[in-house]
Amino acid sequence: AQSVAQPEDQVNVAEGNPLTVKCTYSVSGNPYLFWYVQYPNRGLQFLLKYITGDNLVKGSYGFEAEFNKSQTSFHLKKPSALVSDSALYFCAVRDDRNTPLVFGKGTRLSVIA
Amino acid sequence: DAGVIQSPRHEVTEMGQEVTLRCKPISGHNSLFWYRQTMMRGLELLIYFNNNVPIDDSGMPEDRFSAKMPNASFSTLKIQPSEPRDSAVYFCASSPLGRTMNTEAFFGQGTRLTVV
Repeated sequence: AQSVAQPEDQVNVAEGNPLTVKCTYSVSGNPYLFWYVQYPNRGLQFLLKYITGDNLVKGSYGFEAEFNKSQTSFHLKKPSALVSDSALYFCAVRDDRNTPLVFGKGTRLSVIA
Repeated sequence: DAGVIQSPRHEVTEMGQEVTLRCKPISGHNSLFWYRQTMMRGLELLIYFNNNVPIDDSGMPEDRFSAKMPNASFSTLKIQPSEPRDSAVYFCASSPLGRTMNTEAFFGQGTRLTVV
């Protein structure tokens, strides 16, 4: 069975600084990896995904993520954080057997002006 | 497309009452998922359907929970009787089947259920 770990419940970063939200995964077979963002009282919005190919994936709002197979990680990054990036971020994985997404517990990002 | 539509957005009910949550998936999507979000457990998959057929309901917490998908454009999640510990945000999501492995799921706005 697949699983996702987001080791940090909370990440604080100053506006303008780079941010990283960590994610590690466990899956049998090829992983399909996703990042979602959730703003207060809203549903989850898709940010980016890794399916195959280039290990660095670019997504919405200037976010990117790097797939590292040897470390089974898929960390979310942004070069310069904005206050408006403050939200709850979820990493998710599915395997190659057409199963639903399995989500991590989420990391709350707080960007301080 | 209006996206995944859930109703109601908020529901407050008394313990023991029946609660029905509704979902309209994105047109053309034939996989539908029900998730529950709580502070303690995060996002949990309750059940999912492919082509209106329930595939895996192992995440449904108890027999009090049931879900149906009578057609491609409508699904319900019912709790009968409801209990305070059912209080959570319930999300419906949909995605296209066939390319499911590399296609993200699209989420509705959620239903915030409070059982008092």
